[in-house]
Amino acid sequence: DAGVIQSPRHEVTEMGQEVTLRCKPISGHNSLFWYRQTMMRGLELLIYFNNNVPIDDSGMPEDRFSAKMPNASFSTLKIQPSEPRDSAVYFCASRSGTGAQGYTFGSGTRLTVV
Amino acid sequence: GENVEQHPSTLSVQEGDSAVIKCTYSDSASNYFPWYKQELGKRPQLIIDIRSNVGEKKDQRIAVTLNKTAKHFSLHITETQPEDSAVYFCAAIFYNQGGKLIFGQGTELSVKP
Repeated sequence: DAGVIQSPRHEVTEMGQEVTLRCKPISGHNSLFWYRQTMMRGLELLIYFNNNVPIDDSGMPEDRFSAKMPNASFSTLKIQPSEPRDSAVYFCASRSGTGAQGYTFGSGTRLTVV
Repeated sequence: GENVEQHPSTLSVQEGDSAVIKCTYSDSASNYFPWYKQELGKRPQLIIDIRSNVGEKKDQRIAVTLNKTAKHFSLHITETQPEDSAVYFCAAIFYNQGGKLIFGQGTELSVKP
């Protein structure tokens, strides 16, 4: 199994541009989580899905952020328009079963907005 | 709402000494309390976890304790080695909310040789 796959690994964009981050969860995992990591705020949960349905998006910082999970094998996190303060590492994780061992993180996308 | 507080934010120890990181949580509905280690530029990696009905768990040089009444849990690393240097995160899982996983703020551990 290739694990949770995130793309791109690195993204540099100009302020005001639209940014789309992608995540492919592990096959068979029924939950998917998006996190943002910064020095100041640590690992923040942005949104998570169970069986492709958004359960809690209270961590999404602003209306500029949106996330979708059109099917069990794909999710996107979109920022439109992007701002320099959105610069961070964005992690996707998927989960199957109970216990902490069921959570698997992707390698993350490092986003830089200039 | 759910909240996990972690301290200290930084910790420096000499090689061979012990390191202790402490966390508190606000919502008693949490079921599992995992700990993650994150090395620079890498993803968080699970190192140990403890269930809400267990008071202590040990795995070689790492141990976790849980005081459910006080809503405290701690990570203990004994005989620290330079390769233990990393950022450590405590976390809590809420199965009554579909498996929501939230993290503490992180502790940067530095083990000096």
